Amino acid sequence: QQQVKQSPQSLIVQKGGISIINCAYENTAFDYFPWYQQFPGKGPALLIAIRPDVSEKKEGRFTISFNKSAKQFSLHIMDSQPGDSATYFCAARGNNYGQNFVFGPGTRLSVLP
Amino acid sequence: NAGVTQTPKFQVLKTGQSMTLQCAQDMNHNSMYWYRQDPGMGLRLIYYSASEGTTDKGEVPNGYNVSRLNKREFSLRLESAAPSQTSVYFCASSELPDSPPLVYGYTFGSGTRLTVV
Repeated sequence: QQQVKQSPQSLIVQKGGISIINCAYENTAFDYFPWYQQFPGKGPALLIAIRPDVSEKKEGRFTISFNKSAKQFSLHIMDSQPGDSATYFCAARGNNYGQNFVFGPGTRLSVLP
Repeated sequence: NAGVTQTPKFQVLKTGQSMTLQCAQDMNHNSMYWYRQDPGMGLRLIYYSASEGTTDKGEVPNGYNVSRLNKREFSLRLESAAPSQTSVYFCASSELPDSPPLVYGYTFGSGTRLTVV
């Protein structure tokens, strides 16, 4: 039973397009929502994060949109580039296991040149 | 700037063999974690150590043991490896910031790819 659901499983986007990855959760105790980016053979790296008192956060081409009432959040990558091709994980910090992060299953993004 | 260093990078074990995965961080973080990554499952927490001297079970602890050797090092041991433990293992560390903007995350190592045959 996954506490954080993520879709789509894989995504192919043309260069310059918008990539959108969606996540949903049930646990209302989650209080912090980071996104991680992972390149092949590497560990995940923190990309951007948001707290539930904010509806949107933007850093460069990356934006998190957060809908607290729907318990959903999404990552938007504007002007997607081939270098953005990676696996993206959404995560949430909960109140179990020492308030550690719970991760979604991941989305493999391929940006075509 | 090494960050989190994991050894070995690759390992093949036979069923029933034991091994220890090593992890060290040089960021003076208090908290350290072991995750396993399996296709379609994301990252699942095996064990964590909130601070030196403490360890606790995560979501999938069965078949594993850990040791927080000191503030820098956190090892994961498989006593009797099973094919179900074939996975990529990641160690991570973190520190809760004590001032805004309070943005933080885990720093992950590059992983250990373990195959149990």
